[in-house]
Amino acid sequence: EIVMTQSPATLSVSPGERATLSCRASQSLNSNLAWYQQKPGQAPRLLIYGASTRATGIPARFSGSGSGTDFTLTISSLQSEDFAVYYCQQYNNWPPLTFGGGTKVEIK
Amino acid sequence: QLQLQESGPGLVKPSETLSLTCTVSGGSISSSSYYWGWIRQPPGKGLEWIGSIYYSGRTNYNPSLKSRVTISVDTSKNQFSLKLSSVTAADTAVYYCARQVLGSNWLDPWGQGTLVTVSS
Repeated sequence: EIVMTQSPATLSVSPGERATLSCRASQSLNSNLAWYQQKPGQAPRLLIYGASTRATGIPARFSGSGSGTDFTLTISSLQSEDFAVYYCQQYNNWPPLTFGGGTKVEIK
Repeated sequence: QLQLQESGPGLVKPSETLSLTCTVSGGSISSSSYYWGWIRQPPGKGLEWIGSIYYSGRTNYNPSLKSRVTISVDTSKNQFSLKLSSVTAADTAVYYCARQVLGSNWLDPWGQGTLVTVSS
């Protein structure tokens, strides 16, 4: 099973600032990584797939990068609606599909 | 616009079987391009993929749950279902269903989720 590790667990950022979230895999994923956003009481929403392709309707301030074992989600200028928990998910080697433990982006 | 909706009991007794159904609307579950999956999230914790099914009935399960999980599909009702046997308090979670892209395996969209509590 591929283990996904996200850091930091919590990121405190001021509105308008840049947020950088990290995700590391226990083995190479090529580019088979997705990112999700989850707000309280809501289901996760797909943001990024293929490590860097934005899903339909996702604003351009969200960008993904990386390949192999190290990946990054960047939110270029945080808006109020972006404060949430973010999860990465690998789909290079399954079953099982596995998720990282999440990064909570909170208001500084 | 594709939508998924989970349904089933919100309370299950320990040692019994948890049963949930996901109803798909706005699209066909018989599409050759997708699996249909179940994911769960214990309160305040992260996400765990349970398993998924193709419209033909082909399944994939998380090895950690495989001995207790059965996922089935009813194409006539555009539904798929989850059964988890011998539940304990550790199975208390919000259970989500989601569409899983065949060959790529990201999950989109998701249902709103349903909380299942295991308690006597």
